[in-house]
Amino acid sequence: EVQLVESGGGLVQPGGSLRLSCAASGFIFSSYWMSWVRQAPGKGPEWVANIKSDESEKYYVDSVKGRFTISRDNAKNSLYLQMNSLRAEDTAVYYCARTTYYYDRSDSYGYGMDVWGQGTTVTVSS
Amino acid sequence: DIQMTQSPSSLSASVGDRVTITCRASQSISSYLNWYQQKPGKAPKLLIYAASRLERGVPSRFTGSRSGTDFTLTISSLQPEDFATFYCQQSFTTPWTFGQGTKVGIK
Repeated sequence: EVQLVESGGGLVQPGGSLRLSCAASGFIFSSYWMSWVRQAPGKGPEWVANIKSDESEKYYVDSVKGRFTISRDNAKNSLYLQMNSLRAEDTAVYYCARTTYYYDRSDSYGYGMDVWGQGTTVTVSS
Repeated sequence: DIQMTQSPSSLSASVGDRVTITCRASQSISSYLNWYQQKPGKAPKLLIYAASRLERGVPSRFTGSRSGTDFTLTISSLQPEDFATFYCQQSFTTPWTFGQGTKVGIK
């Protein structure tokens, strides 16, 4: 069964740090891009960051650049998000998502986040 | 950043109804548009990628189309399990952005 399981969320004070983990199973983790997406209470999803299969490319939303770092360990089938200098507005459920590049012999169809974890809750509050 | 604007923000419909949701991109994104369904307390689920291609295992009552920078998700005959919130998302360029969502409720 293809599965993603996040962990590491919790309550942290403003300015603090947290490291989220995502354990993958049931697919060849090292072949896929991976993403982090968050969802603040009552709001829609917000893409946070993604990382290429070999870690050679990483992208971030502006609001987390310089504070968050996405990484992966393909030997451990794991994805990470190191979050520093946390702010109240970072409060959200954080999801990891497998990110598939769709293509065939004639065309490319872009990326879709086709497998998601159950999410881990991050609360930033004093 | 590319803005994705969905309409309506909510709608009420009955089982068996045909439902249409629209998403407009603030600039050209080719067909790099995905649709997701989300139920309360659950992660989003990919329904359609590349504007019109059905993700494996998704019922054929869901269809997607594109006209320029306007995209449409249609549910041909609404089923009880379809009551949820739907989001569009562009993967044309980072930062990937989502629409604000359309909540489909029971009439």
